[in-house]
Amino acid sequence: AQSVAQPEDQVNVAEGNPLTVKCTYSVSGNPYLFWYVQYPNRGLQFLLKYITGDNLVKGSYGFEAEFNKSQTSFHLKKPSALVSDSALYFCAVRDQAGTALIFGKGTTLSVSS
Amino acid sequence: NAGVMQNPRHLVRRRGQEARLRCSPVKGHSHVYWYRQLPEEGLKFMVYLQKENIIDESGMPKERFSAEFPKEGPSILRIQQVVRGDSAAYFCASSPATGRQGQLGGYTFGSGTRLTVV
Repeated sequence: AQSVAQPEDQVNVAEGNPLTVKCTYSVSGNPYLFWYVQYPNRGLQFLLKYITGDNLVKGSYGFEAEFNKSQTSFHLKKPSALVSDSALYFCAVRDQAGTALIFGKGTTLSVSS
Repeated sequence: NAGVMQNPRHLVRRRGQEARLRCSPVKGHSHVYWYRQLPEEGLKFMVYLQKENIIDESGMPKERFSAEFPKEGPSILRIQQVVRGDSAAYFCASSPATGRQGQLGGYTFGSGTRLTVV
């Protein structure tokens, strides 16, 4: 069965510092991996995805994520955090035969000025 | 170029009433997915539909919940005899048809319907 784990409920960083939001996954076969962001009372916005190719994926708003097959991880990163990055971040996975995305529980990112 | 449209945005129902949530997918998308987000929890997959077919309903509660995606019109998530535990945000997503390009495509989410059962 597919599953996603986001081990941190909350991540706190100061503006200008690098940020990492962790995600590990479990699927049979090769994974398709996604990151979404949710602002209060809003829907989910797509940030980036890994399908195949380079392990470092660049996405919207300066975010990037690194696919690590041996560690089954897909951590979200940004070199310099902004206060406006404060939101709820979801990692999601599906396998090649799957259909729906399976989401982690989400990590709340709080960036202080 | 509208995205996924969900309505209503907010829905209040008394216990025992029926709730009907609507989702219009992105134009050209033939796959629809429903998710539920409970307070302090992540998104839980409920059901995956294509036009006139339920493909995967493994996340749907066995009773009171049903979903459809007719040939014409929006997808409907229906909750009969609502209870307080049904209070949640319900999100719809759509994607292109499955196929090589479709598998590489993303899933577009609507802004959700927030159901409150009083």
